[in-house]
Amino acid sequence: NAGVMQNPRHLVRRRGQEARLRCSPMKGHSHVYWYRQLPEEGLKFMVYLQKENIIDESGMPKERFSAEFPKEGPSILRIQQVVRGDSAAYFCASSPPSGGGNSPLHFGNGTRLTVT
Amino acid sequence: GESVGLHLPTLSVQEGDNSIINCAYSNSASDYFIWYKQESGKGPQFIIDIRSNMDKRQGQRVTVLLNKTVKHLSLQIAATQPGDSAVYFCAENTGNQFYFGTGTSLTVIP
Repeated sequence: NAGVMQNPRHLVRRRGQEARLRCSPMKGHSHVYWYRQLPEEGLKFMVYLQKENIIDESGMPKERFSAEFPKEGPSILRIQQVVRGDSAAYFCASSPPSGGGNSPLHFGNGTRLTVT
Repeated sequence: GESVGLHLPTLSVQEGDNSIINCAYSNSASDYFIWYKQESGKGPQFIIDIRSNMDKRQGQRVTVLLNKTVKHLSLQIAATQPGDSAVYFCAENTGNQFYFGTGTSLTVIP
C-alpha cells in the first residue's frame, strides 16, 4: 500500500531552466496539496487540487509557477525560468475524497530543488 | 522539558523524561488540528489529531491537549526515546488549507 510518491527526490536546475516536480497521491486519494519548505522553516501552503480542478491556489506565486492534477497520471508542479530563490524542498500531500479538513494529510518525502 | 513553540524553537530532554511541545494557533475558526513529526530528509509524518469539539486525545505515548479559549495546542510525549528526536509541527485547518507552525526541534539526550 504505497504512500505518497514524489519524484525526483533531488533536482538541480540552472537559472532560467524549467523544473517539473511530480506527485502520485496515495491510492484512493483524490485531493493533492503542494507545500514549500525552506531550511529551518515550516511548510508554506501553495496550492490545493482535486482531479482536473484547482480548488485553492492562493499560496502560489502569480508568475512562473503552475500546478495541475490531470484525470490520469500524477500531479505536476511546474516552475518556469527558475531563480535561486526557488531553491527549497517541495512537499506534496494527499487526502481522501472527504478531504479539505476532515482527515489528515499524508505527505511524500519531498523534492529538493537546487537552482545554481 | 517544555517548549513554547515559536519563541523557543529547540527543546532538549533526557531519555525517559516526558516532553511537552507547545503551539499557539492563530485562527479561532480553525476546527481541526494535527501534530506532525519531521525527521531530517523526510516528509512530515502524522502523529495525532484532534477536533475542536474535544480538549484532549491520547495515542500511544502521545497526548494532545487543546485549549480553544487561548488558542493553544500542546503535544505531550511520554518516556521520550532517542527515536523521538525530530522537528514537530502543529497544523490548523481553516477551510481548504492547513496552516503549519514554525516547528520545534526536539533533541533527546541519551
